[in-house]
Amino acid sequence: NAGVTQTPKFQVLKTGQSMTLQCAQDMNHNSMYWYRQDPGMGLRLIYYSASEGTTDKGEVPNGYNVSRLNKREFSLRLESAAPSQTSVYFCASRKTGGNSGNQPQHFGDGTRLSIL
Amino acid sequence: AQSVTQLGSHVSVSEGALVLLRCNYSSSVPPYLFWYVQYPNQGLQLLLKYTTGATLVKGINGFEAEFKKSETSFHLTKPSAHMSDAAEYFCAVSSMDTGRRALTFGSGTRLQVQP
Repeated sequence: NAGVTQTPKFQVLKTGQSMTLQCAQDMNHNSMYWYRQDPGMGLRLIYYSASEGTTDKGEVPNGYNVSRLNKREFSLRLESAAPSQTSVYFCASRKTGGNSGNQPQHFGDGTRLSIL
Repeated sequence: AQSVTQLGSHVSVSEGALVLLRCNYSSSVPPYLFWYVQYPNQGLQLLLKYTTGATLVKGINGFEAEFKKSETSFHLTKPSAHMSDAAEYFCAVSSMDTGRRALTFGSGTRLQVQP
C-alpha cells in the first residue's frame, strides 16, 4: 500500500503565481487534513475534510482553498502565492467511525514549497 | 483550547545512553496523545499512541511513553540510543471535537546521537 501520496515533492513559485498541491490516500479513510510545517512551530492545521464534499477551516486557512474531489483525493490550492507561504505542506488521513478517537493520522512525505 | 509543550528543542545523547524527550499537555478532559518521528525529508511516522487506562505505552523501535495524569505529561523514553534514532520527534494531542480530531502539535525536539 502506498498510504498517503503527495505531489509534487518540491516546487518553487514566484509571488503571485498559483498552484495546486495534490494528495491521495488508498486506505479508504474518511477524514483528511492539510498541515503546514514551519521551523520551531510544529505542524499547524490549514483545512480539514470529514468526507467527500465537506471541508472546514483550521488554524491557518488564509490564502488557501481546498477541494475534496472524492474519498481518495484532497487538494490544496494557493491562488496567489506569497513568500509567507513558503513552508513544507503535509497531507494526512485518518480512519473514523466506531470507537476511533485514538486512531492516528497517517502522513504523506510532504511538499516543500518555496515562494520567491 | 488544547496545547502541547515540548521542553528542549534540541537534545543530544551518546550512543547507548538513555533518551528522554519531554511532553506536557493541557486538556480539560482525558486526551488522546501521540508521539510521531520525522526523519529528514520525510513525513511523520507514528511511534506510539496513548490508550485510555494505560500508564506505560510501548511503541516501535524500542520507544515507550509514560502517561502521568497528575503531571499532565507524556514523556518519551528509550533505554539505549542508537545512531538511527537521530530525528525530530513531535508530541501531539487530538482535539476533543468528535468529528475533526485534528492534532495539535508541540514544536518538536530534534534528537542528536553522538557516537
